[in-house]
Order: sequence, then structure tokens, then C-alpha cells
Amino acid sequence: DQQVKQNSPSLSVQEGRISILNCDYTNSMFDYFLWYKKYPAEGPTFLISISSIKDKNEDGRFTVFLNKSAKHLSLHIVPSQPGDSAVYFCATSEGGTYKYIFGTGTRLKVLA
Amino acid sequence: NAGVTQTPKFQVLKTGQSMTLQCAQDMNHNSMYWYRQDPGMGLRLIYYSASEGTTDKGEVPNGYNVSRLNKREFSLRLESAAPSQTSVYFCASIASVEQYFGPGTRLTVT
Repeated sequence: DQQVKQNSPSLSVQEGRISILNCDYTNSMFDYFLWYKKYPAEGPTFLISISSIKDKNEDGRFTVFLNKSAKHLSLHIVPSQPGDSAVYFCATSEGGTYKYIFGTGTRLKVLA
Repeated sequence: NAGVTQTPKFQVLKTGQSMTLQCAQDMNHNSMYWYRQDPGMGLRLIYYSASEGTTDKGEVPNGYNVSRLNKREFSLRLESAAPSQTSVYFCASIASVEQYFGPGTRLTVT
């Protein structure tokens, strides 16, 4: 049973609009959440993170929201740019462990 | 500063052959990881090494062995390759929270 789910395999958004990528998790012990971006033929690169003591973290065009009661995480990209087209993975870990669990990814396409 | 490097980039094996995937990092990170990525499955942890001299199984360890040779290097070995091990393999290292990934090795087992 998947502990981290990204239910939308793909998403298309017009350039300049907002992209919202979602992630759900099942384990309430997870306390750190990360988003990675992956271009074809490259390794994932870290984008933004949030700890469970916060509900929002912002870095430029990227904002991550955490709703602990709903066990839901989202990544907002505003404004979206064609260079944002990539696969986005959410990941999470339980405090004190070195294990990270990844979602299945959402392929974002930003249309010019 | 090369970050995380992986060799080879591509490999084709026949069923039953063995090979070792190499990974090295130059960031002085303690922890290192091996993942595989399959379509629709995301990244699944094969093995990890919290520090030099220690290794632990991840979610999908069967058919693999690892060696943490020193702080820089963490290798993944397939003793007898199977078609189910066709995948893209990523190595990663971590300083505190975020992982740094290598460019991946695309392995095909026929």
C-alpha cells in the first residue's frame, strides 16, 4: 500500500497561470516533506521543503502548503513558465530515520 | 565540485550476468542511497547507508547487494541480473535533509 500518493499523473497549464501539484500521505509520523523536480535523462533536483511544524513555505515562485489534519501537501508554482515542464515528486521522511518515501510523480507541462 | 557521479550511464546485460553500478560523491556527505525508478512507480529505495561502514535494506532490496567502500563511494551489485531489474538507477547522498542525486544509470536486462 502506497504511503505517499500523487494521484494526478499529469497536468497541463498555460504559461503565466498557477500550477498546483498535490500529494497525499498516510502516516501521521512523517514530519518532513520535500518536492523534487526531474528533467528527462537527469537525476531529481531538490526544489523546496517544509517541516511539520509549519503550514507554508515559500521560495520565489514556489510555495509548499501542508495540511496535517488532511495529510495533504501541495506545491504551487506562480507564474508557471515553460522551463517548469518536468516531473515533480513529493517525498517524505519520519524524524530520526534516514529513509525517504517518494510519490509516483506528476508530469507538468507548461504551454507557451 | 562534481556532486554525485554514477557509472556507467547505460548498460545492457543478459539474464544471469552480474555487474556493479558505481557511485561517488565529493560533498563529504555521511549518508548515501540507491533508488530505482520504474514507470508509474516513482523512486523506490533499494539500500541506504547512514554512515561509512553501515548499510540497511530499503523497500526493494531483493536481488541486490551494496558496499559502502568509504565515505565517498557506495556501489550497487547485481549478482544475477533478471529482466525485472530493468530500470533506471539513481544514487543519492544527503547532508541534512535534501538529497543530491546522480544522473542515473539506465539498465536493460534481456
